[in-house]
Amino acid sequence: SQLAEENSWALSVHEGESVTVNCSYKTSITALQWYRQKSGKGPAQLILIRSNEREKRNGRLRATLDTSSQSSSLSITATRCEDTAVYFCATDDGSSGNKLIFGIGTLLSVKP
Amino acid sequence: NAGVIQTPRHKVTGKGQEATLWCEPISGHSAVFWYRQTIVQGLEFLTYFRNQAPIDDSGMPKERFSAQMPNQSHSTLKIQSTQPQDSAVYLCASSRLGIDTQYFGPGTRLLVL
Repeated sequence: SQLAEENSWALSVHEGESVTVNCSYKTSITALQWYRQKSGKGPAQLILIRSNEREKRNGRLRATLDTSSQSSSLSITATRCEDTAVYFCATDDGSSGNKLIFGIGTLLSVKP
Repeated sequence: NAGVIQTPRHKVTGKGQEATLWCEPISGHSAVFWYRQTIVQGLEFLTYFRNQAPIDDSGMPKERFSAQMPNQSHSTLKIQSTQPQDSAVYLCASSRLGIDTQYFGPGTRLLVL
């Protein structure tokens, strides 16, 4: 079973709009990471938010973490066509290891 | 910095043949990870090396799959007697130690006919 999962399979917005991708996870974590994967490429990290942090920003991106509800969100403002990608949340498995457990991903389409 | 390098980018094998996938991590990174990505299962962890030593292979199928890291500049994932269900994109990632960003290569797309 998935330890981390995004709450939407796919989202579609128009350029300039804002969008939020949500994620829930099932274990105690050290950190949660958001990755983006464009077609034909490997995932690329967007934000790493540690369990003692509540919010992290990176340019147009903002991630939140709520450890009490075991959920996270990634918001993108002023979306661009090049933001079209699959967005994953990923967590450690709560042990001392560093492997990542990925959600299924949310396909975001940004249309002109 | 060329990032994580994976070769080949595409590989087609016949059922029962062997496939060897190569990964060159980012210089200075001490951790190397292998993942497999399919439409059905998504991104799955396979195995992890730290300072070239195998640390966690809990995601590796027990038969036919093996991984090695003979030196700090490359790791290999070998699949013996490939089966159609092994068809996937195999991704390699490297990172510094600890909870840190994992930098992924572009992947090797394996197709077993």
